Amino acid sequence: DAGVIQSPRHEVTEMGQEVTLRCKPISGHDYLFWYRQTMMRGLELLIYFNNNVPIDDSGMPEDRFSAKMPNASFSTLKIQPSEPRDSAVYFCASKKAGGTYEQYFGPGTRLTVT
Amino acid sequence: KQEVTQIPAALSVPEGENLVLNCSFTDSAIYNLQWFRQDPGKGLTSLLLIQSSQREQTSGRLNASLDKSSGRSTLYIAASQPGDSATYLCAVYGNQFYFGTGTSLTVIP
Repeated sequence: DAGVIQSPRHEVTEMGQEVTLRCKPISGHDYLFWYRQTMMRGLELLIYFNNNVPIDDSGMPEDRFSAKMPNASFSTLKIQPSEPRDSAVYFCASKKAGGTYEQYFGPGTRLTVT
Repeated sequence: KQEVTQIPAALSVPEGENLVLNCSFTDSAIYNLQWFRQDPGKGLTSLLLIQSSQREQTSGRLNASLDKSSGRSTLYIAASQPGDSATYLCAVYGNQFYFGTGTSLTVIP
């Protein structure tokens, strides 16, 4: 398996623009997580899905952030409008239900908002 | 809310030393604890996962222990090498995943 795939790997955009980050989880995994990592706050869970349904979005910082999972193999995290303080690395991770609950991370998307 | 703390925040050791990284958590109602490695500019790589019913896990030069009752875990690295230089994060899974802030390890040749 190719692992968790994220695109783009790097994104530079201007304040006010819409940004869409994409994630393809590992095939057969039931859970998908979106994280944000900054130097100041470390790794924070934004939202997670189980079987394509959002379960907990309490980590989503503002209404400017939204996430969707239209099918088991694709998820998006959208920021509209983007602000400089959104600059961070955004990770997607997935895991199978049951078993060891081990989660697997994608390589991340480094977002810079100028 | 679960809080996960890692001490020390940074550690620098000469090559060949054995070392211990610490992770503590406030809520013992967890399913597992996972140790990750993160290289600069990269994603997280899983190193070891300890189920709540287990006491320790070993992989090569790495050994992780878990004491749920005291809310503590340690990651022991034997005979450290410069290639071990990275940030090490622990994460606990209860109703969701909570991460520590990591320990930045530098192994000096």
